[in-house]
Amino acid sequence: KAGVTQTPRYLIKTRGQQVTLSCSPISGHRSVSWYQQTPGQGLQFLFEYFSETQRNKGNFPGRFSGRQFSNSRSEMNVSTLELGDSALYLCASSFLDSGSDTQYFGPGTRLTVL
Amino acid sequence: GENVEQHPSTLSVQEGDSAVIKCTYSDSASNYFPWYKQELGKRPQLIIDIRSNVGEKKDQRIAVTLNKTAKHFSLHITETQPEDSAVYFCAASKGNQGGKLIFGQGTELSVKP
Repeated sequence: KAGVTQTPRYLIKTRGQQVTLSCSPISGHRSVSWYQQTPGQGLQFLFEYFSETQRNKGNFPGRFSGRQFSNSRSEMNVSTLELGDSALYLCASSFLDSGSDTQYFGPGTRLTVL
Repeated sequence: GENVEQHPSTLSVQEGDSAVIKCTYSDSASNYFPWYKQELGKRPQLIIDIRSNVGEKKDQRIAVTLNKTAKHFSLHITETQPEDSAVYFCAASKGNQGGKLIFGQGTELSVKP
């Protein structure tokens, strides 16, 4: 099976712009979670989607949003970008609707905000 | 709130030595504890996981132990090799929180030949 894929891999934006990142899960996986990775804060949970519904949400401002489509592909959007949003954004997919199931990560999208 | 503390932040060992990384979690409802290895510029890769109904799990040179009473779990790597050099993350989640992993801050392991 193909692994989790993310597009684009690299992105440069300026403050105030918005950005949309895409994640395609492993075939058959229904859960997609998003994480922000920075050197200072480590890996932080953004939100999780399951069957097109947001099931969990982390402690990020409303500028961060997401959605999931019927084929389980997911997008996340960040509006009004700030310098501090520069990070590696990782998505992960899993098969079962349980918190005790393995999450497989994509390669990430490296976002740089200038 | 939910929190996972991981120690040490950096660890340097000689090839062939053992390495131990420790994590403590705050939410007693946590029931799943994976460990991920992330090489520079790569995605996190699951190396081993343990569920709350098990105290120890081994996979070749890697083992994880879980102490639910103390709310801590540890990763043990024996006979370390230079290719074990990477950042290791512990994480915790609970069954009613779906795909929400709370990660530790990471341990940068360096194995010197």
